[in-house]
Amino acid sequence: SAVISQKPSRDICQRGTSLTIQCQVDSQVTMMFWYRQQPGQSLTLIATANQGSEATYESGFVIDKFPISRPNLTFSTLTVSNMSPEDSSIYLCSGRLAADTQYFGPGTRLTVL
Amino acid sequence: EDQVTQSPEALRLQEGESSSLNCSYTVSGLRGLFWYRQDPGKGPEFLFTLYSAGEEKEKERLKATLTKKESFLHITAPKPEDSATYLCAVQAEAAGNKLTFGGGTRVLVKP
Repeated sequence: SAVISQKPSRDICQRGTSLTIQCQVDSQVTMMFWYRQQPGQSLTLIATANQGSEATYESGFVIDKFPISRPNLTFSTLTVSNMSPEDSSIYLCSGRLAADTQYFGPGTRLTVL
Repeated sequence: EDQVTQSPEALRLQEGESSSLNCSYTVSGLRGLFWYRQDPGKGPEFLFTLYSAGEEKEKERLKATLTKKESFLHITAPKPEDSATYLCAVQAEAAGNKLTFGGGTRVLVKP
């Protein structure tokens, strides 16, 4: 299995500012992902974090708004830029350890005022 | 477009009252179907991955089964600690490593 940690666990931010979320995995996962979970809803994939290259974004998500880094196999960051209240959500880091197992971090609960 | 629908949205059970959760899916070629448990304020906890129709997997009081159009998560003699939201997700052959999630089933087991 893989243990995934995220920092911060929660934050309250002012609109127009940016927040960077860190994700650390205790194993060398093959893939890393960032998901968003809005209150009371299910998970939506934001992007796949690629080691040493630009992330692959899903429809509706763009690099200028959600820049992602993955400098090595066990660490990634997601930045939520120029935040608005609509960005209030839980952001989850995920790692694929093998073809059939994918683990999630505890999430970062973001509130934008 | 890949679609995943879970039912019911919510389920209230008495302790010991067995039941099943449904996950219906539409994908252009299934690579895998994943089940997760999510407790309030926490990230999803991986339970199972199923690959082909007829496959079954078990973990404690949980058993997942798969057909060509749906998956069931059976909870046998549930306990209050089984209360959680159960999520299913599909990985389609054409979608790379993307998981498409259903809306989840909130399960409450009362003592």
